[in-house]
Amino acid sequence: DAGITQSPRHKVTETGTPVTLRCHQTENHRYMYWYRQDPGHGLRLIHYSYGVKDTDKGEVSDGYSVSRSKTEDFLLTLESATSSQTSVYFCAISESKGNHKGYGYTFGSGTRLTVV
Amino acid sequence: KNQVEQSPQSLIILEGKNCTLQCNYTVSPFSNLRWYKQDTGRGPVSLTIMTFSENTKSNGRYTATLDADTKQSSLHITASQLSDSASYICVVSAWYGNNRLAFGKGNQVVVIP
Repeated sequence: DAGITQSPRHKVTETGTPVTLRCHQTENHRYMYWYRQDPGHGLRLIHYSYGVKDTDKGEVSDGYSVSRSKTEDFLLTLESATSSQTSVYFCAISESKGNHKGYGYTFGSGTRLTVV
Repeated sequence: KNQVEQSPQSLIILEGKNCTLQCNYTVSPFSNLRWYKQDTGRGPVSLTIMTFSENTKSNGRYTATLDADTKQSSLHITASQLSDSASYICVVSAWYGNNRLAFGKGNQVVVIP
């Protein structure tokens, strides 16, 4: 999607190893989010950021950490990957809070992570 | 308990036919409701956003309706095309809070020739 890039697109890693996923935006949007998507579940929020070095936890944050040292980059780290973290991870950006009527989210194309 | 329920979970329709997808929610107080289309292997893409005062919004062949009193929304696809094969996700936002959106699990639509 224009303006937001996720890398890598696919990754296979071993249990117990650290993994970092990257989200890069060119829209200069203040808010950035990490979601995971699993069969039988809606998208679930892992962490989000409302500015450089300002982050907060979502509903499924255990085992994940994030960092945002620049407006354009939001990193998601799995500290010690487990099989339960096998999922598709989506980054999203928005100009304003999610509950603001005028602003939608733009999602990246996703990262498919497999932990073996 | 999921705050956003979508039905049917999946459906198959013939190309050229219409279909309607349902979304019921319990999120309160309500701020806005969005429909997204997600193609296989891609991220969701916004179709419509509706606030409390809006009961219909269209985007090409997609028409969303909202009844905030009964907390129901529908997405109608007119004259379906093969490219409409996708998952359609209903997302509801509360009027307060710090960026928590409630996502439905999606309606999986398959359009066949």
